[in-house]
Parts: sequence; C-alpha cells; structure tokens
Amino acid sequence: DTAVSQTPKYLVTQMGNDKSIKCEQNLGHDTMYWYKQDSKKFLKIMFSYNNKELIINETVPNRFSPKSPDKAHLNLHINSLELGDSAVYFCASSPTQNSNQPQHFGDGTRLSIL
Amino acid sequence: AQKVTQAQTEISVVEKEDVTLDCVYETRDTTYYLFWYKQPPSGELVFLIRRNSFDEQNEISGRYSWNFQKSTSSFNFTITASQVVDSAVYFCALSVSNYGGSQGNLIFGKGTKLSVKP
Repeated sequence: DTAVSQTPKYLVTQMGNDKSIKCEQNLGHDTMYWYKQDSKKFLKIMFSYNNKELIINETVPNRFSPKSPDKAHLNLHINSLELGDSAVYFCASSPTQNSNQPQHFGDGTRLSIL
Repeated sequence: AQKVTQAQTEISVVEKEDVTLDCVYETRDTTYYLFWYKQPPSGELVFLIRRNSFDEQNEISGRYSWNFQKSTSSFNFTITASQVVDSAVYFCALSVSNYGGSQGNLIFGKGTKLSVKP
C-alpha cells in the first residue's frame, strides 16, 4: 500500500486555468505538507496542516489554496495558473508537527503550464 | 535565519570510488534536526537518516555513513564503494523546534547531483 499518494502524477494545462492536486496518506499521521520543487531542483515548503488546521503558509500567493477535509487528506487548489507555477509539487506527512520526525513524501505531481 | 548549504552542485565518480557529500547548516536554535534525503531519477524523495543536535555520534548503515560535527556546523554524507544505483540527487535538510511557528518544516539545501559511472 502506498503511504502518501498524490494524483495526478502529471498535469499539463494552459495559463489561466484552475487545477487541483490531491494528496492522501494512510499512515495515520497528524501533519501534512506541500512542497514545491522548481526547475533547479530547489525544494521549498509551501504549507503545513496539523489535524486539518493550517500551521505554516510560507508567503505563497493566495492563488494557492490548500484544503484539508480530514487529517488524511491535504489537497492543493491553484487558481489562474501562471507559467511560473510549473514545477513538481510534493505532498508529505509526519506523525506530528514536531521537528524531529522524518517526513514521508509522495511521488510528486509534475505540473506544466503551456 | 535558518539555512542549509550544499556547495557541491554535481559530483561524478566511477563505480567503487568513495564519495563524500558536504552539508553545512546555519541556525540559532540549540535544538534542531538534520536529515538526508535521496531523489533518484524516478523522482521520489526517500528518507535516509535523521540526526538531532544533541547526538554527535557518527552513524554507519551499510555503505553509507554520516559525520555530524557541531563545531563546524556540518553533516556530511559518505558513500563507500559507490554503485551505479547510488546515482541520484541528495538533499540535506534542517528542521528546528522554535522558528516563529514554522517548527517541523524542512529547510532544504539545493541538493548535490551524484553520478556514478560504471
């Protein structure tokens, strides 16, 4: 069973569209995260949620809206997509928000904006 | 400010060579955690090791070893007798306990791309 699963794996769309990426974890973890990996492979935190509540929003444009219907899911909705949004987006989870715990990552969603 | 520096952008070695990947971190927190992740060409991120700021013991796991030195703020990773399957991008990351509510989030270095040639 996949621990952290993201769908879709690939997403190709046009500028200006709205799209969503789904993430689910079956590890029973309380905390979930979204990271963005740019074309130079640089990984940066976007959001983290603990038990469905937002705890980190790292100056991400408000076109990005995470939604956590329950603690096993953290979806990412992006409005009015721009060329600069092209990247690989990784979902991750950890048992709690304590900083000592390794995060388990999904396989990533490669978003390409035409 | 929290920061992780991986000065080596790319390293290329021949199979069976030993290789060390450098990681230098900056933080004012006294309690922090360091991690290494591997990203093979297939793209997933694989957790390799965690080390806390109070434990400076080196660790060995098979062909992998890690050298943590607080005096130089470094957490270096050595692969002994490298193999082609070790080819990947390796990320060092830092997580702190008190950072304006951002505890738990991973601050990544820019990664080192390791190519192991047969």
